Amino acid sequence: RKEVEQDPGPFNVPEGATVAFNCTYSNSASQSFFWYRQDCRKEPKLLMSVYSSGNEDGRFTAQLNRASQYISLLIRDSKLSDSATYLCVVYAGREYGNKLVFGAGTILRVKS
Amino acid sequence: DGGITQSPKYLFRKEGQNVTLSCEQNLNHDAMYWYRQDPGQGLRLIYYSQIVNDFQKGDIAEGYSVSREKKESFPLTVTSAQKNPTAFYLCASRDRGPHQPQHFGDGTRLSIL
Repeated sequence: RKEVEQDPGPFNVPEGATVAFNCTYSNSASQSFFWYRQDCRKEPKLLMSVYSSGNEDGRFTAQLNRASQYISLLIRDSKLSDSATYLCVVYAGREYGNKLVFGAGTILRVKS
Repeated sequence: DGGITQSPKYLFRKEGQNVTLSCEQNLNHDAMYWYRQDPGQGLRLIYYSQIVNDFQKGDIAEGYSVSREKKESFPLTVTSAQKNPTAFYLCASRDRGPHQPQHFGDGTRLSIL
């Protein structure tokens, strides 16, 4: 089982749609969680950190479910500019090498 | 501006040649990382360093080497032993603490001639 798993997609949605991505992680000791966005042929950029209580940043909402070991990202009112690959990232702690583990990403395509 | 600088942006390697990719950061971060990304694939960890003069192998270290003589610098050498070096190479750094994200440079594209 992969440490971090994501549905690769692609998710093809019209402008204005609401879309949700899930990500599951295998290490129950994981301490922190992030969503990154990666545009084609560019570096990943931090979209948002994910907090235990859930958090929102404009049209983006992230949720964490520790009991089921998954995190989610909800995008409301999709824009053409939201088209990208969304990476789920998990940090397990110093005893696991102080590394961040990246999922393979979910592709989102927003069409007019 | 604080950030991570990778150079060169594009690099070509001849058969049997070693090449070195530069990564410099002025964020005062302790930890630095090198990843490889192949087309349509996720990031794979090559090497990482948590402090100066120390580094650990990642998942795909064979054919690569690194050094960490200064906090700001973490160069990656792609040796001739790496038979399939064509990829997008990303350097990242991270501050201390469990809730700190990674910050990435804008990458180096390496191709074999």
